[in-house]
Amino acid sequence: AQSVSQHNHHVILSEAASLELGCNYSYGGTVNLFWYVQYPGQHLQLLLKYFSGDPLVKGIKGFEAEFIKSKFSFNLRKPSVQWSDTAEYFCAAPWSGTYKYIFGTGTRLKVLA
Amino acid sequence: DAGITQSPRHKVTETGTPVTLRCHQTENHRYMYWYRQDPGHGLRLIHYSYGVKDTDKGEVSDGYSVSRSKTEDFLLTLESATSSQTSVYFCATREGRNYGYTFGSGTRLTVV
Repeated sequence: AQSVSQHNHHVILSEAASLELGCNYSYGGTVNLFWYVQYPGQHLQLLLKYFSGDPLVKGIKGFEAEFIKSKFSFNLRKPSVQWSDTAEYFCAAPWSGTYKYIFGTGTRLKVLA
Repeated sequence: DAGITQSPRHKVTETGTPVTLRCHQTENHRYMYWYRQDPGHGLRLIHYSYGVKDTDKGEVSDGYSVSRSKTEDFLLTLESATSSQTSVYFCATREGRNYGYTFGSGTRLTVV
């Protein structure tokens, strides 16, 4: 069965620390991958997306993600986090052959000032 | 996102009553989705639509129905609300295959 897995459920970092959140997917076919962010009390917003081409994708607010096909991974990174990055982060991928997307269960990031 | 409006934003209702949540978009997006978000479960798809009058079930569709009579409106109905349906409900739209979702601001529903 297709799935999107986020193994880090809670992450706590100090400001200026580097961030890497894991996302693994398991399905075949065309790979489209997304990262969304949900700030406290708000709705989800698109951070970045990968469809094809350069496996290193840059998104908003200094975030980037690297698609590694051999590892079925699409990890989210940021070199230096800020307190304002405190949020929940979701990885998502389309459910092959349907109009639906699968979301990971999310990673809650807390950045300490 | 100004293009998607969910109403109401908050609602408290009694067990056993029907409830309808509305999602209205001005983006002319073909695809529309209803998700619920609960602690520990992330986002779970309830129903989705791939065109006017074209809808399908998601992974947690029991107790919910939807209708889409116009491109811009996607209604979610809880036929007889239960306490397990207390949740935050998000509507999302998608323009096409190679686009991500755009989410509404959510409806916080409490069933007492």
